Amino acid sequence: DIQMTQSPSSLSASIGDRVTITCRASQSVSSYLNWYQQKPGKAPNLLIYAASSLQSGVPSRFSGSGSGTDFTLTISSLQPEDFATYYCQQTYSTQWTFGPGTTVNIK
Amino acid sequence: EVQLVESGGGLVQPGGSLRLSCAASGFTFSTYWMHWVRQVPGKGLVWVSRINSGGSSTSYADSVKGQFTISRDNAKNTLYLQMNSLRAEDTAVYYCAREGKVAAGVVSYYYMDVWGKGTTVTVSS
Repeated sequence: DIQMTQSPSSLSASIGDRVTITCRASQSVSSYLNWYQQKPGKAPNLLIYAASSLQSGVPSRFSGSGSGTDFTLTISSLQPEDFATYYCQQTYSTQWTFGPGTTVNIK
Repeated sequence: EVQLVESGGGLVQPGGSLRLSCAASGFTFSTYWMHWVRQVPGKGLVWVSRINSGGSSTSYADSVKGQFTISRDNAKNTLYLQMNSLRAEDTAVYYCAREGKVAAGVVSYYYMDVWGKGTTVTVSS
């Protein structure tokens, strides 16, 4: 199966900071890459699909880029409600897989 | 309102069985592929299984293949996960999720666009 890695595993940032999270696949997944946000005790929420398409209702400060094996999620100006854990997910193979997550903490 | 509500979780002894249900409402359940995802408290998300809209095609993570069975009843708008031979490492919150799809030319992209709140399964003696 396709393994997903994310870096960093956690980061500390301040309100208004630009934040970048990286996701790497063990083989090419083309653009079959999604990003989710999860807050403690809640279900995940879809942010980005197809590597760079913004899900309806998601603020435009979130953006995604990349294709093949390397992908990036960017939050252009971190807001208080963005402190959460972020997961990438590949849907290229029959067995979908998630990355291990990146937790964004308040500095 | 589009909604997924899981049920059936609880405490079960090692080696036991449990069937989870996921009741769908607010959308045409029979036209969507569906998934189960699990999460050990404090850990990451793990994809478990997927079923097509008609229930004739399924796929599983290697970790649950032969142990779990996904199924659905479109007449009842309900997704199921039958879990057998449960082990301590199956302890987790189990989410059901709807598969969304978007076509981009000749290619379609897939994602999980609606999630339930989850049901907790604890395997312990």
